[in-house]
Amino acid sequence: EEQLVESGGGLVQPGGSLRLSCAASGFSFSSNWMHWVRQAPGKGLVWVSRINNDGTTANYAASVRGRFTISRDNAKNTLYLQMNSLRAEDTAVYYCARLGAIWGQGTLVTVSS
Amino acid sequence: DIQMTQSPSSLSASVGDRVTVTCRASQSIATYLNWYQQKPGKAPKLLIYAAFHLQSGVPSRFSGSGSGTDFTLTISSLQPDDFATYYCQQNYNIPYTFGQGTKLEI
Repeated sequence: EEQLVESGGGLVQPGGSLRLSCAASGFSFSSNWMHWVRQAPGKGLVWVSRINNDGTTANYAASVRGRFTISRDNAKNTLYLQMNSLRAEDTAVYYCARLGAIWGQGTLVTVSS
Repeated sequence: DIQMTQSPSSLSASVGDRVTVTCRASQSIATYLNWYQQKPGKAPKLLIYAAFHLQSGVPSRFSGSGSGTDFTLTISSLQPDDFATYYCQQNYNIPYTFGQGTKLEI
């Protein structure tokens, strides 16, 4: 079964940092672009970042560029999102996805003092 | 950035109804358009990819059409399980962008 499982969410103060992880199984992780998408409470879906199969190319939404870093470890079948300088407006459920058919269950990040 | 505009934002319908949701892109995206269904507390589920291709396992009452800037998602006969929020998403250009969602209510 193709599966993505996120972890690492939680409560963090404004200006703080958090690293999300996403463990992949059941498909060829190292052959696929991978993405992070977020959804603020009660709001719509927003694309955050993507990374190519070998980790050499990454793209970001303007709202997170310079603060967030996407990376991957193909040996561990794991995707990461390092989030620095967090703001209240970064509060959301963060999903990792092989955009299209495979999504994780999401992990909640709350930025609040 | 490419703006994706869905209409309507919400829709009331009944079981058995035929329902259409539209999505308009601010520039041509060919057929680089996906449709998702999302239920509360759950991850989005892919229904249609590349504008009109039905994802494996999705009931045939769902269909997609369109190209360029105008797209539609049609549910031919609403079932109780279909009441959810629907999103379009373009994967033509970075940043990939989603529509604001259409909430389908009973």
